[in-house]
Amino acid sequence: DSGVTQTPKHLITATGQRVTLRCSPRSGDLSVYWYQQSLDQGLQFLIQYYNGEERAKGNILERFSAQQFPDLHSELNLSSLELGDSALYFCASSALDRGDNYGYTFGSGTRLTVV
Amino acid sequence: DAKTTQPPSMDCAEGRAANLPCNHSTISGNEYVYWYRQIHSQGPQYIIHGLKNNETNEMASLIITEDRKSSTLILPHATLRDTAVYYCIVRVVQGKLIFGQGTELSVKP
Repeated sequence: DSGVTQTPKHLITATGQRVTLRCSPRSGDLSVYWYQQSLDQGLQFLIQYYNGEERAKGNILERFSAQQFPDLHSELNLSSLELGDSALYFCASSALDRGDNYGYTFGSGTRLTVV
Repeated sequence: DAKTTQPPSMDCAEGRAANLPCNHSTISGNEYVYWYRQIHSQGPQYIIHGLKNNETNEMASLIITEDRKSSTLILPHATLRDTAVYYCIVRVVQGKLIFGQGTELSVKP
């Protein structure tokens, strides 16, 4: 157990639907990072939040959005889902906004399948 | 963002040292080199990181060249459980990790 909790572990949904992925960071960590891993794209950085504020943005589609709540958990919302959104979605956390001496701790991921 | 180049795959005999190279010729002076591995479809696991000096922990050693343009991750006694994709990453100042394609290490009995 890495200390980063992601729910659900698996999600199957239809095209056009909307889903929410949840991430609870390691205790004490203020930063949350979201990554997408699909078969042909590898691990792609989506977005980072630090203490409730958006800090960095990567290749995140307009159909996707995220937020970090006062209790520091984060949610990634994916809407108007397409077949190509099927992927593993990982959340990582770190103590500071630049990573701490032990790097970034990743959760076990949510496997999203769009049918 | 500094890019890294790694061989796509490597084999290693069980019990032998695995030496995984990484080129990062555009790295900036304040950027760290991180190594992570991903076993099957699990979340990436932190291995080691360094800035200038060589580093060692219970998992591995990291050798960084003096010009910092390349590094080598050394797993001293590889086991079958070390079979994974190994990512060499240069940490961007703003905090995000930029993953490359990694090296798929196969440890064979």
